[in-house]
Amino acid sequence: GAVVSQHPSRVICKSGTSVKIECRSLDFQATTMFWYRQFPKQSLMLMATSNEGSKATYEQGVEKDKFLINHASLTLSTLTVTSAHPEDSSFYICSARELQGGTGETQYFGPGTRLLVL
Amino acid sequence: GDSVTQMEGPVTLSEEAFLTINCTYTATGYPSLFWYVQYPGEGLQLLLKATKADDKGSNKGFEATYRKETTSFHLEKGSVQVSDSAVYFCALLGGSTLGRLYFGRGTQLTVWP
Repeated sequence: GAVVSQHPSRVICKSGTSVKIECRSLDFQATTMFWYRQFPKQSLMLMATSNEGSKATYEQGVEKDKFLINHASLTLSTLTVTSAHPEDSSFYICSARELQGGTGETQYFGPGTRLLVL
Repeated sequence: GDSVTQMEGPVTLSEEAFLTINCTYTATGYPSLFWYVQYPGEGLQLLLKATKADDKGSNKGFEATYRKETTSFHLEKGSVQVSDSAVYFCALLGGSTLGRLYFGRGTQLTVWP
């Protein structure tokens, strides 16, 4: 299947700093990528939909000024957690949407980024 | 709206036992259905998919059949292995909301040797 990478895999930062997470589709172009947050032993919570060349669409309750998303190319989306606080500590996962013609579409997920804010 | 209801876990089995994880869905239009697997500390991996009624998705000994009449997509495996221990997510790609995946709550599977 298609491959999606995420970087970094793990980051520890001080409260008040900003952290950027990259999501790349390695072997296909993705006009749409998604950012999720996952709490321990829970399902994924969709934060926002990232569209190449346009503004991201945020889910209700997600602060757009807090979680900045940029989708500058067909293979790269970035999520920046601005002025991070301990409550932002979580597992962040991205996915990239691959359109497959007659068989529809599939989302492929990155390996996730573990963020710990001290 | 679109939603997925997944069997509550955790599920604990002995090696070589038969596995079923139930998944039912509610959707408008004609959704595609997926099973993803998540190993500890990792992202989700696509396990199998089905895009229309009566399709059977299969991979690594796992199978699931898209049943429109019962709105179900149950995951099965005839003989589980210790390496199958993971969290399994059923997901729906709605026909009405472009690209949006709806997930079940996830089912933790533990297989003992």
